[in-house]
Amino acid sequence: AQKITQTQPGMFVQEKEAVTLDCTYDTSDQSYGLFWYKQPSSGEMIFLIYQGSYDEQNATEGRYSLNFQKARKSTNLVISASQLGDSAMYFCAMREGTTGRRALTFGSGTRLQVQP
Amino acid sequence: ETGVTQTPRHLVMGMTNKKSLKCEQHLGHNAMYWYKQSAKKPLELMFVYNFKEQTENNSVPSRFSPECPNSSHLFLHLHTLQPEDSALYLCASSQEASGGSTDTQYFGPGTRLTVL
Repeated sequence: AQKITQTQPGMFVQEKEAVTLDCTYDTSDQSYGLFWYKQPSSGEMIFLIYQGSYDEQNATEGRYSLNFQKARKSTNLVISASQLGDSAMYFCAMREGTTGRRALTFGSGTRLQVQP
Repeated sequence: ETGVTQTPRHLVMGMTNKKSLKCEQHLGHNAMYWYKQSAKKPLELMFVYNFKEQTENNSVPSRFSPECPNSSHLFLHLHTLQPEDSALYLCASSQEASGGSTDTQYFGPGTRLTVL
């Protein structure tokens, strides 16, 4: 079974509107971290926002926020007031804490296109 | 230089060539990673180094040989590659404090490798 699932291969949004990118995960660990990265066409993977499994509040970072629903094992990224520069691939990733592994497991990504 | 840098940014090589990818992190981190991003596949971990010691090898073929001379530098030596090895190779670093799930990985811009 896939550990990270992103069901939206592509999304379109109008400039200045909000958009939600979906991510569900699968783990039996109690301690884990969830990350979102942005990858523009240049290739660099840019860290956006982090949510810990024990965090009770949804993470926010500027225009980025997470809708973290632990019971549903989902962590959706909300981008408010979309800008043209937000057009990129967005990846959800998880790191499981109790296994001792340091690797991130990535989803297949969502390509976001912001239209003027 | 700031963050994580990688050279070269683009590399084209024949199957009989030997080349090396270089990664340098300027963040004072103690862990470094190599990831491979192929077309139509999620990002996958290749190697992890912590305090210069290799701690994970994700069943990578021996034609890929990593080297970590110190906590700031990481190399990936390539020899007798196959066309299917063409991909974006991303380096990342993190500060492994607790060894848990919260340590964020920061990525370099990647090296786009083409094997002819």
